[in-house]
Amino acid sequence: DIVMTQSPDSLAVSLGERATINCKSSQSVLSSSNNKNYLAWYQQKPGQPPKLLIYWASTRESGVPDRFSGSGSGTDFTLTISSLQAEDVAVYYCHQFYSTPPYTFGQGTKLEIK
Amino acid sequence: EVHLVESGGGLVQPGGSLRLSCAASGFTFSTYWMTWVRQAPGKGLEWVANIKQDGSEKFYVDSVKGRFAISRDNAKNSLYLQMNSLRAEDTAVYYCARGPGAIWYWGQGTLVTVSS
Repeated sequence: DIVMTQSPDSLAVSLGERATINCKSSQSVLSSSNNKNYLAWYQQKPGQPPKLLIYWASTRESGVPDRFSGSGSGTDFTLTISSLQAEDVAVYYCHQFYSTPPYTFGQGTKLEIK
Repeated sequence: EVHLVESGGGLVQPGGSLRLSCAASGFTFSTYWMTWVRQAPGKGLEWVANIKQDGSEKFYVDSVKGRFAISRDNAKNSLYLQMNSLRAEDTAVYYCARGPGAIWYWGQGTLVTVSS
């Protein structure tokens, strides 16, 4: 199974500053057939189900603010929030859905306001 | 609008069984893979199982293989998770979700507590 490792486990950033969350997979999630990275990012707030932010590693879901961006390829990925807002406080998860299941999640990164 | 509503959670003793259901609406259920994801209290997300549109392919995480069974009834727009030989470590909120991979739609979840 592919193991997803996020860093850091928690992060405190000042309002208006940049937040960066990293995700590393134990093997590549890049498909050679279509050149897509099978990697998604989710935001989860307390008491709510996760919300899809980014898919194919860098495609922003409709309605997601453009301060959220995803980058990376192969085994190393990054979620960046360019200017942190109060409503961005949440836990963020990366998720690989490459090839045959199980489709594993990272352990999560808790983002707080400094 | 897509709606996924889970039911069937509750308190069960170790070794017991429980069947979760998920009622789907707002989309053509029979044309989508469906997935179960769980989250233990205060912990992260764990992918549990998924099932192809016609039920012909099913996949499970190793920790539930042989104990859990995913199924669907396309005529009733419903997804199921039969959970047997439950353990304390199966305690979690169980989410029904649409899709084989990236998940656009999630239910609100149903809590399963395994305790004596």
